Formats: sequence, structure tokens, C-alpha cells
Amino acid sequence: QVQLQESGPGLVKPSQTLSLTCTVSGGSISSGSYYWSWIRQPAGKGLEWIGRMYSSGSTDYNPSLKTRVTISVDTSRNHFSLRLTSVTAADTAVYYCARERGGYHVLDHWGQGTLVTVSS
Amino acid sequence: QSVLTQPPSVSGAPGQRVTISCTGGTSNIGAGYDVHWYQQVPGRAPKLLIYGNNNRPSGVPDRFSGSKSGTSASLAITGLQAEDEADYYCQSDDSSLSGSVFGGGTKLTVL
Repeated sequence: QVQLQESGPGLVKPSQTLSLTCTVSGGSISSGSYYWSWIRQPAGKGLEWIGRMYSSGSTDYNPSLKTRVTISVDTSRNHFSLRLTSVTAADTAVYYCARERGGYHVLDHWGQGTLVTVSS
Repeated sequence: QSVLTQPPSVSGAPGQRVTISCTGGTSNIGAGYDVHWYQQVPGRAPKLLIYGNNNRPSGVPDRFSGSKSGTSASLAITGLQAEDEADYYCQSDDSSLSGSVFGGGTKLTVL
């Protein structure tokens, strides 16, 4: 059974870079037709798709975040990462990583989520 | 303003049937992209409920069903139970955005 776990700082200062890692266990990140995705949820609000990276290395990003977001995969460590630059208070949210099944584009496995607060 | 539109809230008594709509457009649902549904209990990660418009993952009760027609999709829950009280989100891909989109979410209250 695939499991995902987010990790990273819970507090980031405004204008700095938010960096999170998602460690995948129970399966290889480089096998199969999967995308590796990030989603966030501000407190009391809905889900916002951030972006995804395919096992081939291609990426798709939310146009509203595209200039600030980078998703990368480290197959040797079986994890993938999110970098979000120039953060503001509006980036405060619970960040989820998830596996997206190719073909259906369905997010079939999710991490438990990690709260990131942007504050000085 | 979400690309996919859901009612903010729905409610029903135990045992009743409720439906949650998800309305999109010609660049997402209407373009033939699959619709998926997630259930989120407060404080927990979303859980996949329906994938590919009308398929249930293993372990999801058959009280939950999905459908899709034109630019809209629906989630139906029959035999409402107290444990169904949660937020529900639809999701699809969008060709104009070159990525995935979520509905704004619907809070289900079991009376």
C-alpha cells in the first residue's frame, strides 16, 4: 500500500521560499504511469491544485502560481519536492502531497498534510 | 471563484438520499475529462470516493455513486448516515489551464 508523508518547516517568513518534501513508501516513485502532485488548503477554505510532475519529468502548474512554483522528483530518495518562492500570508495553508494516477488523472493516495504558516 | 461550481451546502435526514452537483464548462467536464469526488472529514486529508465519473475504489460503500452528463457531474448518497457528514469536492482536468481543477466544496450536514 503506497503511503505519502509531507515534511518541512511549519513557519516561513514573508518573501522567503517555502520548501516541502513528500516521501513515498510502499512503491517506487519512478515506476508506473503516475504523476506526483501538490495541493493546498487555506484554513476554512477549499482545495487548490498547485501542480504535478510526471515520472518522465514533465510538469504542469496552476497558472496562478506558475511563476513561483517548482516541483521536482528525486528518484534516488523516493521523494518529490515543492518550492514556492516569494511567499506571503496568502500562502498560509495545509499542504498535501498526492499520487495522481495517469489516464484518469485521479488523486488516489494522499499524504496527511502539513500546515505551513507564513509570518514574520 | 472555482472553475467547477458546487453548492456550498446540502443536508438530509438519516436514511434519505442527497445529491451534490458539480458544474463545469467546455474546457473541463464538457471536454470529456473524467470527474472524481473526494470526501474530507474536518482535520483529515481528502479521501477518494468516486473516480472516472462513476467508479468506486475498493472499500467505498455502494451508497455512493457518481454520474456525468454534458458539462456537469453529480454525486449521489443514498441511505444517509451520520458518518457521511463531511465536505465533498469534485475534481477534473482542464485543457485551458493545462492542469487539474477542484470544485469549491460542498458541506453535507446530516440532520
